[in-house]
Amino acid sequence: DAKTTQPTSMDCAEGRAANLPCNHSTISGNEYVYWYRQIHSQGPQYIIHGLKNNETNEMASLIITEDRKSSTLILPHATLRDTAVYYCIVRVEKAGNMLTFGGGTRLMVKP
Amino acid sequence: DGGITQSPKYLFRKEGQNVTLSCEQNLNHDAMYWYRQDPGQGLRLIYYSQIVNDFQKGDIAEGYSVSREKKESFPLTVTSAQKNPTAFYLCASSMRGSFGFGTDTQYFGPGTRLTVL
Repeated sequence: DAKTTQPTSMDCAEGRAANLPCNHSTISGNEYVYWYRQIHSQGPQYIIHGLKNNETNEMASLIITEDRKSSTLILPHATLRDTAVYYCIVRVEKAGNMLTFGGGTRLMVKP
Repeated sequence: DGGITQSPKYLFRKEGQNVTLSCEQNLNHDAMYWYRQDPGQGLRLIYYSQIVNDFQKGDIAEGYSVSREKKESFPLTVTSAQKNPTAFYLCASSMRGSFGFGTDTQYFGPGTRLTVL
């Protein structure tokens, strides 16, 4: 699976959009971009994933560049409960393929 | 209320004792996984199962054992052979199993924090 690079930490004001970047310059054509988050001492929570097109669900939007070498996770209206470590993962989608979490971005949402 | 449950949330055991961690899912998922997470670290795969009565070792299977007698259940036993068992254990499941139907998005349970004294 391709390696990803994320900023170590970011701050965001409550109610504002949080934009979390991820670089994955060595991504292969069959690798998806996944985003998870983990709140302290809890299990990771799936947020969103995509292959080429931008994706949106009730939690977030995922913007993938045309060359697929980077992506941005957007939380449109961040709340204090969005404070967590956010992990960007690129992987081939197949059963038994483990998730490899890197360092992630520690997002702190401030009042 | 569908999801993945793990019990207990916290578990304390004496050194040398075997301990079994429970993982149950009612999502009708074929595949189930066990990961280990150490403080400040990412996830490491212990075992996974794509279908009932079959499972495969992950990267750090030594000192652990699993069973998959039912689709809904994938218990993990931490044996006395595991040299450093204190960790946060996470169970996950995904729809797609051996037959290749459905997505492979993995959903996680709340975790069990095991402390060996």
